[in-house]
Amino acid sequence: QKEVEQDPGPLSVPEGAIVSLNCTYSNSAFQYFMWYRQYSRKGPELLMYTYSSGNKEDGRFTAQVDKSSKYISLFIRDSQPSDSATYLCAMSSTYGNNRLAFGKGNQVVVIP
Amino acid sequence: SQTIHQWPATLVQPVGSPLSLECTVEGTSNPNLYWYRQAAGRGLQLLFYSVGIGQISSEVPQNLSASRPQDRQFILSSKKLLLSDSGFYLCAWSAPDRLYGYTFGSGTRLTVV
Repeated sequence: QKEVEQDPGPLSVPEGAIVSLNCTYSNSAFQYFMWYRQYSRKGPELLMYTYSSGNKEDGRFTAQVDKSSKYISLFIRDSQPSDSATYLCAMSSTYGNNRLAFGKGNQVVVIP
Repeated sequence: SQTIHQWPATLVQPVGSPLSLECTVEGTSNPNLYWYRQAAGRGLQLLFYSVGIGQISSEVPQNLSASRPQDRQFILSSKKLLLSDSGFYLCAWSAPDRLYGYTFGSGTRLTVV
C-alpha cells in the first residue's frame, strides 16, 4: 500500500461549481497536511497546510483533515477557470527528516 | 524574502550526453535542498536531498548524481543520459525546522533524444 493515495483521474467542472479533491494515507505518524497547486509547466506552489485534524479555510479554499479515517480533502468553492491546474496533496511527520510524501496529483479543469 | 532559481527551463539532450542542472536559493541559510523528477501520471519522485554542504542522500539508484558545493547551491548531474531520464525536474528547499512544506523552483523540462 502506498503511503499516500490520490486518484489522478482528470476532473472537469463548470465554472462556479464546487471542486472536491481528496487523498488517503496509511502512515498514522503524519501530522502536517498540505495541498499544492501546479499550473502546466510550472513548479508546485503551496496552497494550504493544516496541522493535525480539523478544517482550515482560506477564501474559496477549504482543507479538511480526518486523522481517524486517514483522509484529507480540499474544496474549492465558486470555481474559476484560473483554478484549472493539478492539485497535489502532501504530508509529513516529525520523523523522516522533514521529507514530504506526495500524492500523484489531480488535474482539474474548470470550464467557462 | 527567499527565492529559488532553477535553470535552464527546457533542455533537449542526445542520449549519452552529460547533464548539469543548477539550483540556487537566496534569502536563507542552511536550507534543506531537494531534487524531484515528475513524470506524467507518476507524481513526484524524490531523487536526492541534502541537509548541508557535501551531505547528499540518494533515494533512487540511477545514473544521476547530486552535489552541494555551497550552502545554497544544489546541482543535479549525469555523465551519460538515457532516454528514460526525460522528465520534469524540480528543485525545492525548506527550512530545517519547517515541517509543512517545500518551496519549489520553476522546473526544467528535459527531453533526451
